[in-house]
Amino acid sequence: RKEVEQDPGPFNVPEGATVAFNCTYSNSASQSFFWYRQDCRKEPKLLMSVYSSGNEDGRFTAQLNRASQYISLLIRDSKLSDSATYLCVVSPASKIIFGSGTRLSIRP
Amino acid sequence: GAGVSQSPSNKVTEKGKDVELRCDPISGHTALYWYRQSLGQGLEFLIYFQGNSAPDKSGLPSDRFSAERTGGSVSTLTIQRTQQEDSAVYLCASTSYNEQFFGPGTRLTVL
Repeated sequence: RKEVEQDPGPFNVPEGATVAFNCTYSNSASQSFFWYRQDCRKEPKLLMSVYSSGNEDGRFTAQLNRASQYISLLIRDSKLSDSATYLCVVSPASKIIFGSGTRLSIRP
Repeated sequence: GAGVSQSPSNKVTEKGKDVELRCDPISGHTALYWYRQSLGQGLEFLIYFQGNSAPDKSGLPSDRFSAERTGGSVSTLTIQRTQQEDSAVYLCASTSYNEQFFGPGTRLTVL
């Protein structure tokens, strides 16, 4: 079993829709969680950290469920510019582990 | 401020040659990671440096791969006797409080 698993997608949704993806992790000792965004042929960039209480940044909401060992990302009112690959990142101790990413495509 | 820089941005080499890829992390970041990413694939962890500790080399795919970090700053990833399957984008990231800042990568093509 991979340490961090994501549905590769692609998720193809219309502009304005709400879309959500999950990411599961296997190490219960994981302490830090992040979502990164990677545009085609670009390096990954931090989208948001994921806090235990959940957090929101504009149209983006991240949640952590420690009991079930998953994190989620919800995007509301999706824009064409949201099209990208979303990478889940989990950090148990000093390691940083990336998921293989979920591709999102927003259509007009 | 200056971000992570990598050089060269592109490298084309012939099978069997050695290559060196360079990463200049953000000043003051004590942790540095190397990853590689093949087209359409996720990030594959290669090696991790943290301060003066021994590096975590658990992701290096073969003994043709090695990396060093001099003076706790600049890092060099060396691939000896390159093979076609080494073709990928090699990404370096330096870390602050577990947030990773990536360089633009080196696109390596082995002919």
